[in-house]
Amino acid sequence: DAGVTQSPTHLIKTRGQHVTLRCSPISGHKSVSWYQQVLGQGPQFIFQYYEKEERGRGNFPDRFSARQFPNYSSELNVNALLLGDSALYLCASSSSSLDEQFFGPGTRLTVL
Amino acid sequence: SQKIEQNSEALNIQEGKTATLTCNYTNYSPAYLQWYRQDPGRGPVFLLLIRENEKEKRKERLKVTFDTTLKQSLFHITASQPADSATYLCALEDNAGNMLTFGGGTRLMVKP
Repeated sequence: DAGVTQSPTHLIKTRGQHVTLRCSPISGHKSVSWYQQVLGQGPQFIFQYYEKEERGRGNFPDRFSARQFPNYSSELNVNALLLGDSALYLCASSSSSLDEQFFGPGTRLTVL
Repeated sequence: SQKIEQNSEALNIQEGKTATLTCNYTNYSPAYLQWYRQDPGRGPVFLLLIRENEKEKRKERLKVTFDTTLKQSLFHITASQPADSATYLCALEDNAGNMLTFGGGTRLMVKP
């Protein structure tokens, strides 16, 4: 079985641009969560989506948005990129709740 | 405010010894606590989940304890191996149950 997949692997953007990151959960998993991980720190929760509805939101500005599609895949959008948005963006899927998260390999975003 | 604290200093131990990592939390009333392993450049991998009514849980060479009075979890790796070298993260759901928060992680280095 395929694990959680994310695309792209790496991305370089400039300040002010927007970015869309994509995630496909493990087959059968209906919950997708997004995290931002800055080097040397633990992952920070951004969003959780379940059955296409937002179930949880972390302390991130409105420049961050996400959605979940009928096939349970998800997109994370970040507008008006700042240098501080440079990080590893992780997607995790689970069957329903936030326990036993299965993480993807992440998308490394660099903002110049 | 809610806090999760892990020792930010790396833990260096000799192969064959037991590694013990600590996770302390404040202002949480968690139903469960999770431990993950993360290798450089990769997403975290789920290891163990321990519920509030469980004092101890084991999986192969791993053992986790959970003391809701002390607000602390200990993570033990017995007979440690160089392959156990990684960063270990603990994670808790917030009291509303809609957000997962990770500690900063502790880097473990097992020397042969």
